Amino acid sequence: KAGVTQTPRYLIKTRGQQVTLSCSPISGHRSVSWYQQTPGQGLQFLFEYFSETQRNKGNFPGRFSGRQFSNSRSEMNVSTLELGDSALYLCASSPVTGTYEQYFGPGTRLTVT
Amino acid sequence: DAKTTQPPSMDCAEGRAANLPCNHSTISGNEYVYWYRQIHSQGPQYIIHGLKNNETNEMASLIITEDRKSSTLILPHATLRDTAVYYCIVRVAVDSSYKLIFGSGTRLLVRP
Repeated sequence: KAGVTQTPRYLIKTRGQQVTLSCSPISGHRSVSWYQQTPGQGLQFLFEYFSETQRNKGNFPGRFSGRQFSNSRSEMNVSTLELGDSALYLCASSPVTGTYEQYFGPGTRLTVT
Repeated sequence: DAKTTQPPSMDCAEGRAANLPCNHSTISGNEYVYWYRQIHSQGPQYIIHGLKNNETNEMASLIITEDRKSSTLILPHATLRDTAVYYCIVRVAVDSSYKLIFGSGTRLLVRP
């Protein structure tokens, strides 16, 4: 089976812009979770989607949003980018919600200038 | 906030067992302990999880104390490729679902 894929792998944006990141889960997996990783804060949970519904949300401002499509692919969006949003954004999939044997993608490295 | 504490770094010799400790003194009765690792520039990789009993798979063994307040991940024969950051995580129930809260992890260096 193909693993979790994330696109793009690298991205450079300017403050105030918005960005959309994409995640394709492992075939058959219906749960997709997003995480932000920075040197200062480590790995932080953003949100989880299962069957096109947000099941869980971390402590991030409303500028961070996401969605999941009927084929389980997911996107996350960050509006009005700030310098502090520079991070590695990781997507993880699992067969169902709650099991948390998650399979992570390689991440999207976002740099905000 | 993370419910686990781990030493920031450890090292071991190649071929020897690596024993990574984790404290989770506030764990609740139905919360699982999970271990993941992250090799530089890659996404985290699932290793093992457990609730009460000791667990073993092809990658590692997980030893959980009887009071469940701590656990140890054992890599029986560490190789250079096991150099990574190891995260001990408690799966937290939130409403009708769960989430993983990662702590700072232990940076394991396997020496030749």
